Amino acid sequence: LAKTTQPISMDSYEGQEVNITCSHNNIATNDYITWYQQFPSQGPRFIIQGYKTKVTNEVASLFIPADRKSSTLSLPRVSLSDTAVYYCLVGRGGGGGNKLTFGTGTQLKVEL
Amino acid sequence: NAGVTQTPKFRILKIGQSMTLQCTQDMNHNYMYWYRQDPGMGLKLIYYSVGAGITDKGEVPNGYNVSRSTTEDFPLRLELAAPSQTSVYFCASSGQGRDSPLHFGNGTRLTVT
Repeated sequence: LAKTTQPISMDSYEGQEVNITCSHNNIATNDYITWYQQFPSQGPRFIIQGYKTKVTNEVASLFIPADRKSSTLSLPRVSLSDTAVYYCLVGRGGGGGNKLTFGTGTQLKVEL
Repeated sequence: NAGVTQTPKFRILKIGQSMTLQCTQDMNHNYMYWYRQDPGMGLKLIYYSVGAGITDKGEVPNGYNVSRSTTEDFPLRLELAAPSQTSVYFCASSGQGRDSPLHFGNGTRLTVT
């Protein structure tokens, strides 16, 4: 199982770009890297997913180096509403009976 | 689609009581999961299922049981509730593909006193 390591917390101000890095040294060949966002009293919500290189959607970008041993979630111009816990999850969704285990997550706090 | 629906939202149990946390999904997903989240902590996998009739243990299965008689439903059973099982329980599902993300319910907040 690919273990992940993230910073426990990060602070930022509105309008800044935030980059959260996740280490996953023993990622397997077929594993995808998925990031989730969780607000208090809610279940985690999918943000972005990638396998290699760079992925961008309407809310975030995901940078994955060639060795895939880490990944960086980039949130452009954060706002107060981006204050949440962000989880990096490494594994294969769906098939393979994969035990999808979460790390401790990163608490992002955005201030004015 | 309603997605993943969990009931009840809240429950208080006395030590030694039993209960079943319900989870149902309407996305025809084969894969379903139960997680618990203690205050200020990350999610820990309790049990998961790769399809009807097939279940397996996660990181913290002790004190829980599951069954998967249909694709839609994945109930979690607590037989003898203990204070250590006070937590928020999340159910999730995912599709067949390797890149299928998890879809979570809104959780059941359980207190055992």
